[in-house]
Amino acid sequence: EVQLQESGPGLVKPSQSLSLTCSVTGYSITSNYWGWIRKFPGNKMEWMGYISYSGSTSYNPSLKSRISITRDTSKNQFFLQLNSVTTEDTATYYCARLRYYGYKHFDYWGQGVMVTVSS
Amino acid sequence: DIQMTQSPASLSASLGETVTIQCRASEDIYSGLAWYQQKPGKSPQLLIYGASSLQDGVPSRFSGSGSGTQYSLKISSMQTEDEGVYFCQQGLKYPYTFGAGTKLELK
Repeated sequence: EVQLQESGPGLVKPSQSLSLTCSVTGYSITSNYWGWIRKFPGNKMEWMGYISYSGSTSYNPSLKSRISITRDTSKNQFFLQLNSVTTEDTATYYCARLRYYGYKHFDYWGQGVMVTVSS
Repeated sequence: DIQMTQSPASLSASLGETVTIQCRASEDIYSGLAWYQQKPGKSPQLLIYGASSLQDGVPSRFSGSGSGTQYSLKISSMQTEDEGVYFCQQGLKYPYTFGAGTKLELK
């Protein structure tokens, strides 16, 4: 069974970087696509980006140059780094597997990690 | 970006009642639509993909339909465990976008 688990600090100071890890079991991250989604207070959901089976990446333009998604295939983990955070980045962050059928959707999700940006 | 507009924002339904949630895309998404259910404190669960394909393990009372810009999710007989927030998501064009969610409660 595919399982994903996010980990990382729950509190980040403004202007610093947010770093999260997604550990995957039951499936290799060298197959499919692996992404990050966040849910803001009030239910708004935002796709942030993904890393593909080959290591290529795609990001939401709204995050401009602040975001980076990388991976460690030896540990079957992928990572999110979001730079220069503000209070508007306070959200629950999810990692998920994307399935591709000409369009993409998210079929397996982690349990989510709540991140608060505050001084 | 493709805007996804969901309606209604919230609704309540009685046990056994049929429930329909609508999702409209700002442009044709060629059935590249998924539906998710999220319960409090849990991560979203995929229900429907490709507008009408039922994800493995999802009860058959859930169904999806639609094409072009208009899509709907139907629950044929409301159950207690169906309470939660439902989201639509387009996966055709970057950036992938979600609807604002529909909160479904048991009446």
